[in-house]
Amino acid sequence: GAGVSQSPRYKVAKRGQDVALRCDPISGHVSLFWYQQALGQGPEFLTYFQNEAQLDKSGLPSDRFFAERPEGSVSTLKIQRTQQEDSAVYLCASSLAQKRYEQYFGPGTRLTVT
Amino acid sequence: AQTVTQSQPEMSVQEAETVTLSCTYDTSENNYYLFWYKQPPSRQMILVIRQEAYKQQNATENRFSVNFQKAAKSFSLKISDSQLGDTAMYFCAFMKDTGGFKTIFGAGTRLFVKA
Repeated sequence: GAGVSQSPRYKVAKRGQDVALRCDPISGHVSLFWYQQALGQGPEFLTYFQNEAQLDKSGLPSDRFFAERPEGSVSTLKIQRTQQEDSAVYLCASSLAQKRYEQYFGPGTRLTVT
Repeated sequence: AQTVTQSQPEMSVQEAETVTLSCTYDTSENNYYLFWYKQPPSRQMILVIRQEAYKQQNATENRFSVNFQKAAKSFSLKISDSQLGDTAMYFCAFMKDTGGFKTIFGAGTRLFVKA
């Protein structure tokens, strides 16, 4: 079946603009994760959903970051008033609930804030 | 808090030879998972191999194997018969077993396989 998809693949935003990044998980995957990967670094956990419930948002760097998954499938990561330090690749991953150790990653969205 | 350290920013290996990537971690947990992920230049992260901490036997997946030393908190990846397609960033990662949502990644090792 289809893997995890993310859109857009590339996004350029001017500082201060709001952006919305979309993640389509694998069908039937209850668990969904967002990560932020700065250039030359490993991914850093942002937030975790189980179905529509956001069970962990401890990794969100500020209140400008907001994630939702209203129907338990597609998820959107929103960043308000973007700043240059938000430039990164945003990765989404999904898994079965019982297999959070088996995550499937999407291709990522590269956000550049100018 | 858990940490994952990869002390080799870059490595290179000749095609068909063997290379070992190092990883150490720190945790007070007893049950957890350790992973090696591969991220080729296209950027899609792929799971290479997984080790459950409660298992003493080292995990293997075809040409990839690990040396898991729980007491030393060491988790190295050995790639045998290296292929050009193995060129990628490799990330070591940790996840708690119970109540674990976060995966903690190391900074990565860039591996070049030379023809």
